[in-house]
Amino acid sequence: GAVVSQHPSRVICKSGTSVKIECRSLDFQATTMFWYRQFPKQSLMLMATSNEGSKATYEQGVEKDKFLINHASLTLSTLTVTSAHPEDSSFYICSAYFPGLEAFFGQGTRLTVV
Amino acid sequence: GESVGLHLPTLSVQEGDNSIINCAYSNSASDYFIWYKQESGKGPQFIIDIRSNMDKRQGQRVTVLLNKTVKHLSLQIAATQPGDSAVYFCAERTGANSKLTFGKGITLSVRP
Repeated sequence: GAVVSQHPSRVICKSGTSVKIECRSLDFQATTMFWYRQFPKQSLMLMATSNEGSKATYEQGVEKDKFLINHASLTLSTLTVTSAHPEDSSFYICSAYFPGLEAFFGQGTRLTVV
Repeated sequence: GESVGLHLPTLSVQEGDNSIINCAYSNSASDYFIWYKQESGKGPQFIIDIRSNMDKRQGQRVTVLLNKTVKHLSLQIAATQPGDSAVYFCAERTGANSKLTFGKGITLSVRP
């Protein structure tokens, strides 16, 4: 079946630095990718929707200048957490979607900001 | 097995019993529903889906039931196994290109 690859799976960074997370759809071209954030023992909260070749649509309360999303090709979307702070520590998950198919999820990235 | 709603975040069942996990969705216009399983430290894994023009769909050991009248979705797992232990989320979508909205999640714990 279709596979979504997310990298890295774990990252530890210093406060004030930026971290880039990649999400690749391996078996199909994804017209839409979604980025989620998940805190411990909570559900997935949608951060933004990215469409290939256009600007991402951010959910209410998500700072677009802090969470930069780039969807330059049909197989790659990136999320950059800029000037990371300890409160940004979380589990970030991407999802790739192609019309007519279910949404496929990456394995997630555990971000720890120290 | 026993059923729980979103107010009870944990369901504990005996290995071999049937499990029933319930979900109340929010949008009456939602036309597509999915159950996901999430193991610790991993992304959600697709279990089964159902469209709004159906009220029941069966997979291998799993069945999803949809009651649009009361906006209720359930996942039934037959002969629950230790490997079924995980957090289960329901998700709904409105329209072919729209986002998924996830429910709160329920932890399924299987006793040996």
